[in-house]
Amino acid sequence: LAKTTQPISMDSYEGQEVNITCSHNNIATNDYITWYQQFPSQGPRFIIQGYKTKVTNEVASLFIPADRKSSTLSLPRVSLSDTAVYYCLVANQGGKLIFGQGTELSVKP
Amino acid sequence: DGGITQSPKYLFRKEGQNVTLSCEQNLNHDAMYWYRQDPGQGLRLIYYSQIVNDFQKGDIAEGYSVSREKKESFPLTVTSAQKNPTAFYLCASRDSAKLFFGSGTQLSVL
Repeated sequence: LAKTTQPISMDSYEGQEVNITCSHNNIATNDYITWYQQFPSQGPRFIIQGYKTKVTNEVASLFIPADRKSSTLSLPRVSLSDTAVYYCLVANQGGKLIFGQGTELSVKP
Repeated sequence: DGGITQSPKYLFRKEGQNVTLSCEQNLNHDAMYWYRQDPGQGLRLIYYSQIVNDFQKGDIAEGYSVSREKKESFPLTVTSAQKNPTAFYLCASRDSAKLFFGSGTQLSVL
């Protein structure tokens, strides 16, 4: 099982780009990298998923280097409503899915 | 409207009492998961089921039990053996490598 390591917390200001990096040194060949966002007292919700290189959707981009031992979630022009905890999860299609501690992002005016 | 439904939203347990948290999904997913979250902490895996009539212990299964008699349902029972049950409980189902979460149940001890 690939263990993930993220910064515990990050601060940013409205309008800035935020990059959160996750380390997963023992990622397996068939593992995907998925990022989730969680607000207090709610279930996490899916943000973006990737396997290699770069993935972009309407809310974020995900950068994965060739060795896949890390990944970076990029949030463009954050707003106050992006204040949340962000988790990266490395998993394939089966079995145990273990979350790391997550990164608490605080966006200030 | 498809998704994961957890009930109740709030639950109170008395000393020595077993309580059951409900989790239902209409997404036709085979795999389902239960996580526990303590204040300011991450998600810890309690139990998971990859198919009907089969389930495995996660990292903190002691004091909990589950059943998976139907594909749509994965109830979690918090037994009296769980001495510190106060937490936020999250249920999820999985499609490929993606998890879909319910809105959670907050369990407190009276």
